[in-house]
Amino acid sequence: DGGITQSPKYLFRKEGQNVTLSCEQNLNHDAMYWYRQDPGQGLRLIYYSQIVNDFQKGDIAEGYSVSREKKESFPLTVTSAQKNPTAFYLCASSPTGWSNQPQHFGDGTRLSIL
Amino acid sequence: AQKVTQAQTEISVVEKEDVTLDCVYETRDTTYYLFWYKQPPSGELVFLIRRNSFDEQNEISGRYSWNFQKSTSSFNFTITASQVVDSAVYFCALMNYGGSQGNLIFGKGTKLSVKP
Repeated sequence: DGGITQSPKYLFRKEGQNVTLSCEQNLNHDAMYWYRQDPGQGLRLIYYSQIVNDFQKGDIAEGYSVSREKKESFPLTVTSAQKNPTAFYLCASSPTGWSNQPQHFGDGTRLSIL
Repeated sequence: AQKVTQAQTEISVVEKEDVTLDCVYETRDTTYYLFWYKQPPSGELVFLIRRNSFDEQNEISGRYSWNFQKSTSSFNFTITASQVVDSAVYFCALMNYGGSQGNLIFGKGTKLSVKP
């Protein structure tokens, strides 16, 4: 079945450590997105990529980095510069970055600080 | 500036009750899209509906119905005869027509609890 796979489901980060969240899709979508969800805050866009080898900052990009070397994959690195990383992270994709087609979501990664 | 407001943070109902989730939006654009997503406890957001601004017809899908009122900038969602499986967080979202999907704006969500 086509879909978006996020791993791991739970992740713990030590002080000063970088961690990478995986997002893979087999929907053949061009565009991919990373959102952060905090309780009562809705979804906020971290980064998005409309095509391979290209990505743009969202509203809260500081302390995060991404790469888009393959169409299927859009990993998110939470760096030590992100001082409050504890949150639920959602990856999404859409056929293109400009269409009105709804985004498809993975089932998220919950990141906590040790 | 674009904005989506879901004033109801949490709603609790008893099974078989009808419930309406409110969504009010702000945009300067004349053409735009509105979405509703459901987030069950598993975490994944599930797409429910997309409505464009030039189509004000209400829509019904089984127990779900949507009321789009351009005059009041509202896109409310009603669940008829609610069931325990409807318990989830529901998000309303807004995107400009022809705009980048990087500009999809979400409301803060309404948590619906349906008790047996």
